[in-house]
Amino acid sequence: GIQVEQSPPDLILQEGANSTLRCNFSDSVNNLQWFHQNPWGQLINLFYIPSGTKQNGRLSATTVATERYSLLYISSSQTTDSGVYFCAVDRSGGGADGLTFGKGTHLIIQP
Amino acid sequence: DAGVIQSPRHEVTEMGQEVTLRCKPISGHNSLFWYRQTMMRGLELLIYFNNNVPIDDSGMPEDRFSAKMPNASFSTLKIQPSEPRDSAVYFCASSRQLNTEAFFGQGTRLTVV
Repeated sequence: GIQVEQSPPDLILQEGANSTLRCNFSDSVNNLQWFHQNPWGQLINLFYIPSGTKQNGRLSATTVATERYSLLYISSSQTTDSGVYFCAVDRSGGGADGLTFGKGTHLIIQP
Repeated sequence: DAGVIQSPRHEVTEMGQEVTLRCKPISGHNSLFWYRQTMMRGLELLIYFNNNVPIDDSGMPEDRFSAKMPNASFSTLKIQPSEPRDSAVYFCASSRQLNTEAFFGQGTRLTVV
């Protein structure tokens, strides 16, 4: 199956700092999503971004499908940004559907 | 839109008992997915349906697990008999079609003692 690798696995930052999270995947994809899992366990949709660049407030994401990676940028981080950030992909072509998740980046924002 | 609704939010049961988890997808979504999250294995796909039909159940760990989708607005995941190693958070997700943006429910935290 498709492999999804996220880096770094852990990240500790001070409030106000910027960060870049990376997601590498091993095959062509139809779907790529970024999620934030908050301390209560909810999976919150951040971006649906199989290619291109999107921005939503302090967050933005870029997927370069031809090079099989995606980046999530968080600017001016706040303590509420803490949690685990997941990248998930759905392989293109026939066969398996449904999202394959990376292991996540555990982000801690300190006040 | 109410989002994907799962019930119960928490379930504690004794080993050997039957457990049924429930999911109501977002109205108008044709694809429904069941995932499981554990510390050891992360988030993994168990089974998915398209237009109420099971398409791929290769992620279901054992025959003790079964899932149904009797209509477009309801799905169940059943474990019978349950075992302690089934303890996990079970998520249901839906999307308008396959390969489109998926939205997750709040999950059911299952503890088997």
